[in-house]
Amino acid sequence: ETGVTQTPRHLVMGMTNKKSLKCEQHLGHNAMYWYKQSAKKPLELMFVYNFKEQTENNSVPSRFSPECPNSSHLFLHLHTLQPEDSALYLCASSQGGDFRQGYGYTFGSGTRLTVV
Amino acid sequence: ELKVEQNPLFLSMQEGKNYTIYCNYSTTSDRLYWYRQDPGKSLESLFVLLSNGAVKQEGRLMASLDTKARLSTLHITAAVHDLSATYFCAVDRYGNKLVFGAGTILRVKS
Repeated sequence: ETGVTQTPRHLVMGMTNKKSLKCEQHLGHNAMYWYKQSAKKPLELMFVYNFKEQTENNSVPSRFSPECPNSSHLFLHLHTLQPEDSALYLCASSQGGDFRQGYGYTFGSGTRLTVV
Repeated sequence: ELKVEQNPLFLSMQEGKNYTIYCNYSTTSDRLYWYRQDPGKSLESLFVLLSNGAVKQEGRLMASLDTKARLSTLHITAAVHDLSATYFCAVDRYGNKLVFGAGTILRVKS
């Protein structure tokens, strides 16, 4: 149990489907992140939310749509994905806010997404 | 733009041997992290290095940071099979964005 829970663990979806990934943290953190880990690329930061506000969108295609209803929950809504979007999607959380106050990032177990 | 480079990307070593993984980053940073990832698993935090000259050790792993050279090293002493995993360094800028290296796949052979 890492304190950051992601569901589902595995997801297979067709290119015309709509699905959502969920992340929940129980650590009292104020910042949450989505990362993408592909087979042949470094971990890529996708989105950052600080205190529920999106502060970073790393040029992510619009077929990925994040949602952060509160500091404990983060969603990634998926629609009309491409096979190259198949990857491990990792959620993380951190203290956020003033960088001098805290540090340390906690990662969830990830969702293994396969687009067929 | 902050860039993080690790080398080697793949390391095959014999049990009992020593080796070092290097992590270079391109701009001034506040913190440097080392993570371990086992196949199909999430990232496990190993070390957080906060200042120039910082050295941390846990078991057979020792990490150090030279902020002037923008270099961190992860030294493996007397490797054992259980250390086989992928190791990532990551750099934190402004406290709310981690940029990762490509990772080093470590295989320890008996």
